[in-house]
Amino acid sequence: DAGITQSPRYKITETGRQVTLMCHQTWSHSYMFWYRQDLGHGLRLIYYSAAADITDKGEVPDGYVVSRSKTENFPLTLESATRSQTSVYFCASSLGAPYNEQFFGPGTRLTVL
Amino acid sequence: GQQVMQIPQYQHVQEGEDFTTYCNSSTTLSNIQWYKQRPGGHPVFLIQLVKSGEVKKQKRLTFQFGEAKKNSSLHITATQTTDVGTYFCAVHGSSNTGKLIFGQGTTLQVKP
Repeated sequence: DAGITQSPRYKITETGRQVTLMCHQTWSHSYMFWYRQDLGHGLRLIYYSAAADITDKGEVPDGYVVSRSKTENFPLTLESATRSQTSVYFCASSLGAPYNEQFFGPGTRLTVL
Repeated sequence: GQQVMQIPQYQHVQEGEDFTTYCNSSTTLSNIQWYKQRPGGHPVFLIQLVKSGEVKKQKRLTFQFGEAKKNSSLHITATQTTDVGTYFCAVHGSSNTGKLIFGQGTTLQVKP
């Protein structure tokens, strides 16, 4: 039972390049979330999805794009990476009821040079 | 939008001492969740509090939800080195979307 996985775990890219971070969960959870974690800012929500084909913006969506064609996958794309997007990115999922706990993936450490 | 303030930001304790972190909101909360993140790890759910004045215990950890449902605390009795990490409170946004808003976290260091 893999649970929730993220790939790659580490990524170094250059300013202006497009980068896609993958998130996959095996629980068929309805809700999925993308967060970024930076020193001094805690965890900030980028985008979330309540179900396949339903996505919405979080607190810091600018510069990011998401899609959710299948329940189990929720990729996050940085269309043109900037240095300010250097961060640790966590994907999370939760059961259908909105007040359930969230399960986090191991994270992707992204460095934009 | 919904915000939650968490204090202190950092705490260094000697092993065996107690530790408390606090979360405060200006608005009434429907519930509050607590997560722990070990160094280099990912956040892991600890507990959810829903009722006014609720107190829940997990071994040496005691979680409280204020009577007015505007604040919460996590208290660790007799800390151990395994308690090291960052503790986050999290609350749901005002709309029923499942979105969580995290406090900035309290990072606990324990000296053996």
